[in-house]
Order: sequence, then structure tokens, then C-alpha cells
Amino acid sequence: DIVMTQSPLSLPVTPGEPASISCRSSQSLLHGNGYKYVDWYLQKPGQSPQLLIFLASNRASGVPDRFSGSGSGTDFTLKISRVEAEDVGVYYCMQALHTPPIFGQGTRLEIK
Amino acid sequence: QVQLQESGPGLVKPSETLSLTCSVSDGSISTYYWNWIRQPPGKGLEWIGYIYDRGSTNYNPSLKSRVTISLDTSKNQFSLKLSSVTAADTAVYYCARALGDILTAYSFDPWGQGTLVTVSS
Repeated sequence: DIVMTQSPLSLPVTPGEPASISCRSSQSLLHGNGYKYVDWYLQKPGQSPQLLIFLASNRASGVPDRFSGSGSGTDFTLKISRVEAEDVGVYYCMQALHTPPIFGQGTRLEIK
Repeated sequence: QVQLQESGPGLVKPSETLSLTCSVSDGSISTYYWNWIRQPPGKGLEWIGYIYDRGSTNYNPSLKSRVTISLDTSKNQFSLKLSSVTAADTAVYYCARALGDILTAYSFDPWGQGTLVTVSS
């Protein structure tokens, strides 16, 4: 199976400041169709995960534009331009190219 | 917006079969990819499998020998059965719809609220 490695695992952020989470895949997630098969999810405390970003850089419906995704074949980044209190929770990257889809171990974002 | 709701026993005995149902609020059950995902307490997420197109399935190889996912279009529901459970199968089980077509078959949106299943005698 592909291994998805996130860093950092814990991310304390001051409200209004930017934040960045890295995700590295053990194999390229660039498909021949040009799409990069990485998604990002946020699991807020006590809630189900919610899709933030799909195919590496596409915001899901209703996701604020302060969230953005980017990356190459194996290295991907989720950026939050200005962190708000409602952004606390655990962020997961996930490879969506191969079966089974594999999640990273999660990055816990907390407010300072 | 479509809503998903899991239901089923919260406690299952070791060696028995875990059975859960996901109810879909609109009539989209005949399209899309429908997934099961689980999360052991305090741990990460594991994809279990999906069903689509009136019955085609794809399972996580690590669980394939024990998993069956089925579809009931008349009830707008799909179901999960996991056989020969052990304590390691204790988890919150989520149902989720894939975002769209085959291009995003593994992009999960939306998710149900999840249901905790404990395996214990």
C-alpha cells in the first residue's frame, strides 16, 4: 500500500496567521490524465470528516477560499491563509489514485 | 443537500457479523459510489469499500474476505456486513457518498454522522 506521511502532527496557530500542512506520498499520485489524486479532509471535534480539497487543488462546495491545496506528484500542501477559530480539528490527506485509498495519520490544528 | 444516516447494533459479540445500514435522504442511490469508512477510537481513518451501479463492489484487500456491501434501491439504502469480528473491529463506522463519477470515486462527500460499534462479549 501507498504510505501517506503528514507533517507536522501538531500545529498550534494564532488566529489570523497562516498555516501549512505537508503530505508526502510513497508513490506518485499523478495520473496520466494530468490529475493529482490527493484529497484533504478536516475532522472537527466530535464531527465526521468533511471534504476540503479534491484532486489536489479543487475546493469542495462551501469550503472558504482561505483553504488551498497544491503539490507535485509526491509532495502536497494544504494552506490556510488566515486561520480562524472554527478551523480547529484534525486534517487528513488521502491518496485517491490506488485501491485502497489511504489516509495520512492526521495533523491536529489547535488555536494558540 | 443529500443526507446520510447510519443505523445498526452498537454492540456485537466476537466472531459474529457486524451489520450496518446507511439511509440516503434523496433518490440518488442508483447513481454515485457509496462507501463505508471506519475509525477506531482515537485513531485514523480506514476505507472499507464501495458499491455502485446497482451492485458492483470494490473492497479494501485487507478486509475483502470478511466484507459484503449491498444496495437496496427500493429503500434508498446500502448496507455493510463484516463477518468474524474481533475487538480490532471496534470503531466508528461512517457511510459516505463519492463526490461524483469515476474521476472522484474516492473523494468522499458528504459523510454520515457515524455510528460506534463495539465488539465485546
